[in-house]
Amino acid sequence: QSALTQEASVSGTVGQTVTLSCIGDSNTIGSYPVGWYQQISHGVPKTVMFGNSLASGIPDRFSGSKIGTTASLTISGLQPEDEADYYCSTWDYSLSAYVFGTGTKVSVL
Amino acid sequence: EVQLVESGGGLVQPGRSLRLSCAASGFTFDDYAMHWVRQAPGKGLEWVSGISWNSGSIGYADSVKGRFTISRDNAKNSLYLQMNSPRAEDMAFYYCAKDYSSSWTGGAFDIWGQGTMVTVSS
Repeated sequence: QSALTQEASVSGTVGQTVTLSCIGDSNTIGSYPVGWYQQISHGVPKTVMFGNSLASGIPDRFSGSKIGTTASLTISGLQPEDEADYYCSTWDYSLSAYVFGTGTKVSVL
Repeated sequence: EVQLVESGGGLVQPGRSLRLSCAASGFTFDDYAMHWVRQAPGKGLEWVSGISWNSGSIGYADSVKGRFTISRDNAKNSLYLQMNSPRAEDMAFYYCAKDYSSSWTGGAFDIWGQGTMVTVSS
């Protein structure tokens, strides 16, 4: 059972804004920065952001935030190439291990 | 260009051994912690193991503890994963990943390799 909970799927039209959430607890998101990873068609994962910083080469329509034990990834101005699975991840103090969310499938209608 | 290239995957019988390698280039390898992350077919991502920049600190997921061993050779810019007594549930794509910092704890995965598939079957 994953320590981080994500929506199974989120969809939107081109240009729309969508927000993905990642829910943890005080041992995870409440205490450590969150990484977000994009995986297109089950290919190689690509880092989107870590904490509040965009990874290299990632367009600035992606942004991240965290309130308490919930982290969010927002895509402002959804593009067809954003269709992918997105995973959140962070350190789990209680497990002394990294944990991933179950992943959110973003579909562009 | 920062690059991670995994090798060593393939078919392994349950209970035998397999060693994965990851060759790093384009960055100062011994400045950063490194990780192995895996993904079983049709499943999500799972962290396997991490190692600090100087091998002084190492960690494993409970699912592989006691069976897998992570190591690195900074002189060769290489990361390894020794897989002993693999099980059917270890079958997955194994990705090598660079950390943002020199410590393997509390950080995140920065750059990913293309992955190598490990199939466990008799």
